[in-house]
Amino acid sequence: GENVEQHPSTLSVQEGDSAVIKCTYSDSASNYFPWYKQELGKGPQLIIDIRSNVGEKKDQRIAVTLNKTAKHFSLHITETQPEDSAVYFCAASSMDTGRRALTFGSGTRLQVQP
Amino acid sequence: GAVVSQHPSWVICKSGTSVKIECRSLDFQATTMFWYRQFPKQSLMLMATSNEGSKATYEQGVEKDKFLINHASLTLSTLTVTSAHPEDSSFYICSARRTANQPQHFGDGTRLSIL
Repeated sequence: GENVEQHPSTLSVQEGDSAVIKCTYSDSASNYFPWYKQELGKGPQLIIDIRSNVGEKKDQRIAVTLNKTAKHFSLHITETQPEDSAVYFCAASSMDTGRRALTFGSGTRLQVQP
Repeated sequence: GAVVSQHPSWVICKSGTSVKIECRSLDFQATTMFWYRQFPKQSLMLMATSNEGSKATYEQGVEKDKFLINHASLTLSTLTVTSAHPEDSSFYICSARRTANQPQHFGDGTRLSIL
């Protein structure tokens, strides 16, 4: 099955700096990679996703890059703000198999210091 | 759009009680819903995949007689924790997806505490 590794487990940055979170996956059949933000006591919220037919996707201060050959993808947050503080999860799945369940990374706790 | 509502958000009950958690897609029809369990400071672990009108598919190690899942309509799935014990205490989260090629959207979870 799929295995997703995520680093770092914790990340502290100053407000205005950039934050980068990296994930690797093992199953070459995976072709869909979403990122979720989870605030304390809440469910995960989808913030951006990428499919394997593109290498990069951007939405305002958030961008995701994908290297299919190396089997890794990254989340980039620029101009970080205190409200970006949360736990971020990467995930991977295959849209081509009947199961299509997400395999999550272990999460990154991002702390943005004002 | 793509709002998923989960109810209740928090429940405390005595050991041996059965607890039902509801997951509703409010503004879309969900062909598939998923149930996850999350322990403090850990990632989400998939428990089961539920397709409308058919039996749920459980992950290895998840007891189907313990965690009963019903997906009777395209907007509602329920998870019933039967004869709950303290070790069942956890954060249970559902997600829903319109079709196979659409993203999963999550509810806000149910914190279950068994005394």
